[in-house]
Amino acid sequence: NAGVTQTPKFQVLKTGQSMTLQCAQDMNHEYMSWYRQDPGMGLRLIHYSVGAGITDQGEVPNGYNVSRSTTEDFPLRLLSAAPSQTSVYFCASSYSGTSGRALVQFFGPGTRLTVL
Amino acid sequence: AQKVTQAQTEISVVEKEDVTLDCVYETRDTTYYLFWYKQPPSGELVFLIRRNSFDEQNEISGRYSWNFQKSTSSFNFTITASQVVDSAVYFCALSEKAGGYQKVTFGTGTKLQVIP
Repeated sequence: NAGVTQTPKFQVLKTGQSMTLQCAQDMNHEYMSWYRQDPGMGLRLIHYSVGAGITDQGEVPNGYNVSRSTTEDFPLRLLSAAPSQTSVYFCASSYSGTSGRALVQFFGPGTRLTVL
Repeated sequence: AQKVTQAQTEISVVEKEDVTLDCVYETRDTTYYLFWYKQPPSGELVFLIRRNSFDEQNEISGRYSWNFQKSTSSFNFTITASQVVDSAVYFCALSEKAGGYQKVTFGTGTKLQVIP
Protein backbone atom coordinates (compact mmCIF):
# COMPACT_ATOMS: atom_id res chain seq x y z
CA ASN A 1 0.00 0.00 0.00
CA ALA A 2 1.26 3.47 -0.88
CA GLY A 3 -0.92 5.06 1.83
CA VAL A 4 -1.63 8.74 1.14
CA THR A 5 0.28 10.33 -1.71
CA GLN A 6 0.50 14.00 -2.57
CA THR A 7 1.89 15.78 -5.58
CA PRO A 8 3.77 17.98 -6.06
CA LYS A 9 6.14 18.14 -3.08
CA PHE A 10 7.09 21.74 -3.79
CA GLN A 11 5.46 24.47 -5.87
CA VAL A 12 6.08 28.14 -6.48
CA LEU A 13 3.27 30.22 -7.94
CA LYS A 14 2.82 33.83 -8.86
CA THR A 15 -0.07 35.79 -7.44
CA GLY A 16 -3.20 35.11 -9.45
CA GLN A 17 -2.16 31.76 -10.85
CA SER A 18 -4.29 28.70 -10.27
CA MET A 19 -3.22 25.16 -9.59
CA THR A 20 -4.38 21.82 -8.26
CA LEU A 21 -2.74 19.89 -5.45
CA GLN A 22 -3.27 16.19 -5.92
CA CYS A 23 -4.07 13.71 -3.16
CA ALA A 24 -4.75 10.00 -3.46
CA GLN A 25 -5.15 7.15 -0.98
CA ASP A 26 -5.34 3.42 -1.53
CA MET A 27 -6.79 2.38 1.84
CA ASN A 28 -10.46 2.69 0.84
CA HIS A 29 -10.98 5.35 3.50
CA GLU A 30 -14.26 7.25 3.50
CA TYR A 31 -12.94 10.41 5.09
CA MET A 32 -10.44 12.68 3.42
CA SER A 33 -9.33 16.13 4.51
CA TRP A 34 -7.07 18.97 3.51
CA TYR A 35 -5.16 20.95 6.11
CA ARG A 36 -2.76 23.82 5.94
CA GLN A 37 0.05 24.21 8.43
CA ASP A 38 1.39 27.63 9.26
CA PRO A 39 3.96 28.50 11.94
CA GLY A 40 2.37 28.81 15.38
CA MET A 41 -1.09 27.88 14.11
CA GLY A 42 -1.05 24.12 14.04
CA LEU A 43 -3.10 22.36 11.39
CA ARG A 44 -6.20 24.07 10.15
CA LEU A 45 -8.91 22.27 8.22
CA ILE A 46 -9.62 23.64 4.76
CA HIS A 47 -12.12 21.19 3.28
CA TYR A 48 -13.16 17.66 3.99
CA SER A 49 -15.12 14.83 2.40
CA VAL A 50 -17.09 12.02 4.00
CA GLY A 51 -17.33 10.02 0.80
CA ALA A 52 -17.37 10.24 -2.97
CA GLY A 53 -19.55 13.10 -4.10
CA ILE A 54 -19.77 14.69 -0.64
CA THR A 55 -17.58 17.60 0.43
CA ASP A 56 -17.88 20.41 2.93
CA GLN A 57 -15.99 23.41 4.20
CA GLY A 58 -13.65 23.40 7.13
CA GLU A 59 -12.25 26.25 9.15
CA VAL A 60 -10.40 28.14 6.38
CA PRO A 61 -12.06 27.34 3.02
CA ASN A 62 -11.81 30.70 1.26
CA GLY A 63 -9.79 30.60 -1.94
CA TYR A 64 -9.91 26.82 -2.24
CA ASN A 65 -12.17 24.34 -4.02
CA VAL A 66 -12.40 20.59 -3.73
CA SER A 67 -14.23 17.73 -5.38
CA ARG A 68 -14.39 14.02 -4.71
CA SER A 69 -15.44 12.00 -7.72
CA THR A 70 -13.85 8.77 -6.47
CA THR A 71 -13.07 7.29 -3.07
CA GLU A 72 -9.35 7.43 -3.85
CA ASP A 73 -8.82 11.01 -5.01
CA PHE A 74 -9.37 14.36 -3.34
CA PRO A 75 -7.75 17.24 -5.24
CA LEU A 76 -7.48 20.75 -3.81
CA ARG A 77 -7.75 23.64 -6.23
CA LEU A 78 -6.36 27.10 -5.62
CA LEU A 79 -8.48 29.40 -7.74
CA SER A 80 -6.32 32.54 -7.75
CA ALA A 81 -3.23 32.16 -5.60
CA ALA A 82 -2.43 34.83 -3.03
CA PRO A 83 0.69 35.27 -0.86
CA SER A 84 -1.49 34.45 2.19
CA GLN A 85 -1.81 30.94 0.79
CA THR A 86 1.91 30.31 1.21
CA SER A 87 1.89 27.30 3.50
CA VAL A 88 2.47 23.58 3.82
CA TYR A 89 -0.57 21.58 2.75
CA PHE A 90 -1.36 18.15 4.10
CA CYS A 91 -3.92 15.72 2.84
CA ALA A 92 -5.22 13.08 5.26
CA SER A 93 -7.56 10.12 5.15
CA SER A 94 -9.24 7.98 7.77
CA TYR A 95 -12.00 5.46 7.98
CA SER A 96 -15.21 6.18 9.80
CA GLY A 97 -16.79 4.32 12.65
CA THR A 98 -15.68 4.19 16.22
CA SER A 99 -13.68 1.04 16.75
CA GLY A 100 -10.09 0.11 16.28
CA ARG A 101 -8.13 2.73 14.43
CA ALA A 102 -11.19 4.50 13.05
CA LEU A 103 -10.70 8.27 12.85
CA VAL A 104 -6.92 7.93 13.03
CA GLN A 105 -5.68 10.19 10.27
CA PHE A 106 -3.08 9.00 7.82
CA PHE A 107 -1.26 11.97 6.37
CA GLY A 108 0.45 12.48 3.07
CA PRO A 109 4.00 13.87 2.96
CA GLY A 110 2.81 17.43 2.38
CA THR A 111 3.14 20.05 -0.36
CA ARG A 112 5.18 23.15 0.35
CA LEU A 113 3.60 26.01 -1.58
CA THR A 114 5.07 29.47 -2.02
CA VAL A 115 3.07 32.24 -3.63
CA LEU A 116 5.10 35.24 -4.78
CA ALA B 1 -17.17 24.66 19.73
CA GLN B 2 -14.33 22.30 20.31
CA LYS B 3 -10.91 23.60 21.19
CA VAL B 4 -7.51 22.15 21.93
CA THR B 5 -4.89 24.11 23.85
CA GLN B 6 -1.22 23.24 23.98
CA ALA B 7 0.11 26.04 26.13
CA GLN B 8 3.75 24.98 25.82
CA THR B 9 5.06 26.36 22.56
CA GLU B 10 8.61 25.06 22.92
CA ILE B 11 10.35 22.86 25.47
CA SER B 12 14.04 22.02 25.73
CA VAL B 13 15.31 19.16 27.85
CA VAL B 14 18.62 17.42 28.22
CA GLU B 15 18.78 13.86 27.02
CA LYS B 16 17.52 11.29 29.56
CA GLU B 17 15.31 13.79 31.32
CA ASP B 18 11.59 13.11 31.55
CA VAL B 19 9.26 15.61 29.89
CA THR B 20 5.50 16.10 29.92
CA LEU B 21 3.59 17.78 27.11
CA ASP B 22 0.30 19.29 28.18
CA CYS B 23 -2.99 19.19 26.29
CA VAL B 24 -6.25 20.69 27.47
CA TYR B 25 -9.42 20.38 25.44
CA GLU B 26 -12.94 21.75 25.37
CA THR B 27 -15.96 19.93 24.02
CA ARG B 28 -19.67 19.73 24.65
CA ASP B 29 -19.91 16.15 23.47
CA THR B 30 -19.88 13.19 25.81
CA THR B 31 -18.43 10.98 23.07
CA TYR B 32 -15.18 12.16 21.58
CA TYR B 33 -11.70 10.99 20.71
CA LEU B 34 -8.30 12.36 21.56
CA PHE B 35 -5.10 11.85 19.62
CA TRP B 36 -1.43 12.63 19.70
CA TYR B 37 0.64 13.00 16.53
CA LYS B 38 4.37 13.52 16.11
CA GLN B 39 5.97 15.65 13.41
CA PRO B 40 9.75 15.07 13.27
CA PRO B 41 12.03 17.52 11.47
CA SER B 42 11.52 15.59 8.24
CA GLY B 43 7.95 16.94 8.22
CA GLU B 44 5.68 13.91 8.08
CA LEU B 45 2.89 13.49 10.60
CA VAL B 46 2.89 10.25 12.54
CA PHE B 47 0.06 8.90 14.65
CA LEU B 48 0.97 8.02 18.24
CA ILE B 49 -2.21 7.26 20.16
CA ARG B 50 -5.99 7.40 20.06
CA ARG B 51 -8.14 7.49 23.17
CA ASN B 52 -11.94 7.58 23.40
CA SER B 53 -13.82 9.56 26.01
CA PHE B 54 -15.05 6.47 27.84
CA ASP B 55 -11.62 5.05 28.48
CA GLU B 56 -9.75 6.94 31.16
CA GLN B 57 -7.11 4.29 31.67
CA ASN B 58 -3.63 5.60 31.34
CA GLU B 59 -1.55 4.01 28.64
CA ILE B 60 2.12 3.21 28.46
CA SER B 61 4.02 2.30 25.34
CA GLY B 62 7.71 1.92 25.95
CA ARG B 63 9.05 5.31 27.03
CA TYR B 64 5.77 7.02 26.16
CA SER B 65 2.81 7.34 28.51
CA TRP B 66 -0.45 9.21 28.35
CA ASN B 67 -2.57 10.51 31.21
CA PHE B 68 -6.22 11.16 30.35
CA GLN B 69 -8.26 13.00 32.98
CA LYS B 70 -11.82 13.94 32.08
CA SER B 71 -12.24 15.90 35.31
CA THR B 72 -9.65 18.42 34.14
CA SER B 73 -10.21 17.91 30.37
CA SER B 74 -6.57 17.04 29.92
CA PHE B 75 -4.69 14.46 27.89
CA ASN B 76 -1.03 14.83 28.77
CA PHE B 77 1.87 13.01 27.17
CA THR B 78 5.02 12.05 29.03
CA ILE B 79 8.28 10.89 27.51
CA THR B 80 10.52 9.11 29.98
CA ALA B 81 14.29 9.19 29.55
CA SER B 82 14.08 11.42 26.50
CA GLN B 83 16.30 10.80 23.49
CA VAL B 84 17.48 13.03 20.68
CA VAL B 85 15.17 11.16 18.29
CA ASP B 86 12.23 12.47 20.31
CA SER B 87 12.95 15.98 19.04
CA ALA B 88 9.84 16.91 17.07
CA VAL B 89 6.66 18.92 17.14
CA TYR B 90 3.88 17.10 18.95
CA PHE B 91 0.24 17.79 18.22
CA CYS B 92 -2.75 16.95 20.36
CA ALA B 93 -6.08 16.62 18.53
CA LEU B 94 -9.75 16.23 19.40
CA SER B 95 -12.42 14.57 17.27
CA GLU B 96 -16.12 15.01 17.89
CA LYS B 97 -19.30 14.56 15.90
CA ALA B 98 -20.28 17.58 13.78
CA GLY B 99 -23.24 16.73 11.59
CA GLY B 100 -22.42 13.54 9.78
CA TYR B 101 -18.71 13.95 10.20
CA GLN B 102 -16.14 13.46 12.88
CA LYS B 103 -14.53 16.88 12.96
CA VAL B 104 -10.91 16.97 14.08
CA THR B 105 -9.37 20.01 15.74
CA PHE B 106 -5.63 20.21 16.29
CA GLY B 107 -3.74 22.13 18.91
CA THR B 108 -0.99 24.49 17.84
CA GLY B 109 1.69 21.99 18.75
CA THR B 110 4.60 21.80 21.17
CA LYS B 111 8.10 21.79 19.79
CA LEU B 112 10.34 19.52 21.84
CA GLN B 113 14.08 19.80 21.58
CA VAL B 114 16.16 17.13 23.26
CA ILE B 115 19.72 18.27 23.75
CA PRO B 116 22.44 15.60 23.77
